[in-house]
Amino acid sequence: GAVVSQHPSRVICKSGTSVKIECRSLDFQATTMFWYRQFPKQSLMLMATSNEGSKATYEQGVEKDKFLINHASLTLSTLTVTSAHPEDSSFYICSARGGKGRTYEQYFGPGTRLTVT
Amino acid sequence: GQNIDQPTEMTATEGAIVQINCTYQTSGFNGLFWYQQHAGEAPTFLSYNVLDGLEEKGRFSSFLSRSKGYSYLLLKELQMKDSASYLCAVTRAAGNKLTFGGGTRVLVKP
Repeated sequence: GAVVSQHPSRVICKSGTSVKIECRSLDFQATTMFWYRQFPKQSLMLMATSNEGSKATYEQGVEKDKFLINHASLTLSTLTVTSAHPEDSSFYICSARGGKGRTYEQYFGPGTRLTVT
Repeated sequence: GQNIDQPTEMTATEGAIVQINCTYQTSGFNGLFWYQQHAGEAPTFLSYNVLDGLEEKGRFSSFLSRSKGYSYLLLKELQMKDSASYLCAVTRAAGNKLTFGGGTRVLVKP
């Protein structure tokens, strides 16, 4: 099946610093990648959609200058949380679409748990 | 806008059957997904319904009624490992974004 990886799996950073999270499709080319945020005991909230080589489309209420998304290749998208604050602490999950077979399906990465102190 | 509702929690006994309902109000509805998510892990794909009817896949079945804006996920012969959150998500015709419901936490007891 299609495999999506995320790095790092966990990160702790100090308030005011920036953190970069990588999302990679390992065995397929992802035409579209999605970034989600999930707070404890809540469902996934879509933050943005990124297509390779173009600017990301952000959901309403998500600050594009705070959450920088780069989708430089068909296998890599990055999310940078700039000037992180404790309220940004969350579980960040990416997904990728474009695998062979079921092209409608999104394949999820294992997630990155961010803790801002 | 979109509105997706599913129960918050359900409890069932090992070996039993549980049905998780999901109702939605979505303009331009395209299809409905069910995902399973264990705590601290990413969601894993269970099913995708576009047409009305029941799709069976082993112990899991999913049903869709487009006219009623209703779906359910049926889990049979429950096992302890089925304790997880089950997420209903819809896609709209205009794109492939997934909009998730709040998720249903299922607790399987011995």
